[in-house]
Amino acid sequence: DIQLTQSPSFLSASVGDRVTITCRASQGITNSLAWYQQKPGKAPKVVISGASTLQSGVPSRFSGSGSGTEFTLTISSLQPEDFATYYCQQLNTYPLSFGGGTKVEIK
Amino acid sequence: EVQLLESGGGLVQPGGSLRLSCAASGFTFSSYAMTWVRQAPGKGLEWVSAISDNADTRRYADSVKGRFTISRDNSKNTLYLQMNSLRAEDTALYYCVKCGGMCQYKWLDSWGQGTLVTVSS
Repeated sequence: DIQLTQSPSFLSASVGDRVTITCRASQGITNSLAWYQQKPGKAPKVVISGASTLQSGVPSRFSGSGSGTEFTLTISSLQPEDFATYYCQQLNTYPLSFGGGTKVEIK
Repeated sequence: EVQLLESGGGLVQPGGSLRLSCAASGFTFSSYAMTWVRQAPGKGLEWVSAISDNADTRRYADSVKGRFTISRDNSKNTLYLQMNSLRAEDTALYYCVKCGGMCQYKWLDSWGQGTLVTVSS
């Protein structure tokens, strides 16, 4: 089974900061990786698919990169509505799996 | 607009059974793979099971294999999850999720609001 390790698990940042979250896969998954944003009490929402494709309606300050085993989600200028928990997910091989999550909080 | 409405959650004793349902609307249900994802209270996301558009392929997480069965009725636009031999560690909010085509190689593009399953004596 493929394990995904996200880092950091917790991040404290200010509005306007550039934020980068990393997701490492235990084996190669080409570009079959998605990033989800989850706010408290809400269902997750996909922000990036195929490692780097911005989903419709997602602000351009979000970007994704990587291939193989190392991936990053970057928020170029953190906005108040971006404070949430972010999860990566590999969709290359069953069983599908999620990273442990990164909680982005206000400094 | 895609809508996914889960039902069937509740309190059940260890060893008991529940069947979750997910009523789908706003898209051609029979053309998309579907999946269940769960989230234990205060914890992260865990993929549970997936089913292809025509139900000929079903996949399960190791943690539920042999106990849970995913199915769908395309004539009723409904997804199901039959959960047997429930354990305390199955306690979670269960999300019904639409895949962007297949689930493999794609993404999970629409989520329901979830139904809570609590396994406790």
